[in-house]
Amino acid sequence: DVKVTQSSRYLVKRTGEKVFLECVQDMDHENMFWYRQDPGLGLRLIYFSYDVKMKEKGDIPEGYSVSREKKERFSLILESASTNQTSMYLCASSQSGQGEGYTFGSGTRLTVV
Amino acid sequence: GEDVEQSLFLSVREGDSSVINCTYTDSSSTYLYWYKQEPGAGLQLLTYIFSNMDMKQDQRLTVLLNKKDKHLSLRIADTQTGDSAIYFCAEWSGYSTLTFGKGTMLLVSP
Repeated sequence: DVKVTQSSRYLVKRTGEKVFLECVQDMDHENMFWYRQDPGLGLRLIYFSYDVKMKEKGDIPEGYSVSREKKERFSLILESASTNQTSMYLCASSQSGQGEGYTFGSGTRLTVV
Repeated sequence: GEDVEQSLFLSVREGDSSVINCTYTDSSSTYLYWYKQEPGAGLQLLTYIFSNMDMKQDQRLTVLLNKKDKHLSLRIADTQTGDSAIYFCAEWSGYSTLTFGKGTMLLVSP
């Protein structure tokens, strides 16, 4: 069964810390995505990547960066965490050119205190 | 730009049918999707429909697509308490990324 694994279900970090959220997929998918989900705002795209070492800004990239050194791994980095980055973070992957949509991970609930 | 709209909330009784509606604006949409999100979890793909179809049935789920009105619906027959979740509509036009609606929370009461 295809799988997207996010390394942590829950994280609590302090303001100003550098935070890494890890995502790994085992489907050999080319595309990977990071979303955040907040009540009333739905899913908002932070960054995505179509290939190794490639990245594209989504709708809300400010305060975030990403790294994709290997095809199966896509990391989201909060350079200096702030309380307004408290959210549910969802990673997803997909295969290019196919219509099966995205496969999502279980999410990471990040709280910044 | 592209936009996907859904009503925010639907409440039904167990055993009834649920119909969740979605409208989209991108006339070049190639695929349309329904995702389900249970509390505290990620999104799970329920079903999808190609734009040249007008209906797709999968067990208790029926998807209807009205391309002229850019309207997509998901019908869940014999709704169960385990169907309580947030349901997201999404569309893909063959390039760039999926566009998601904000989600419809379905509450099923016994």
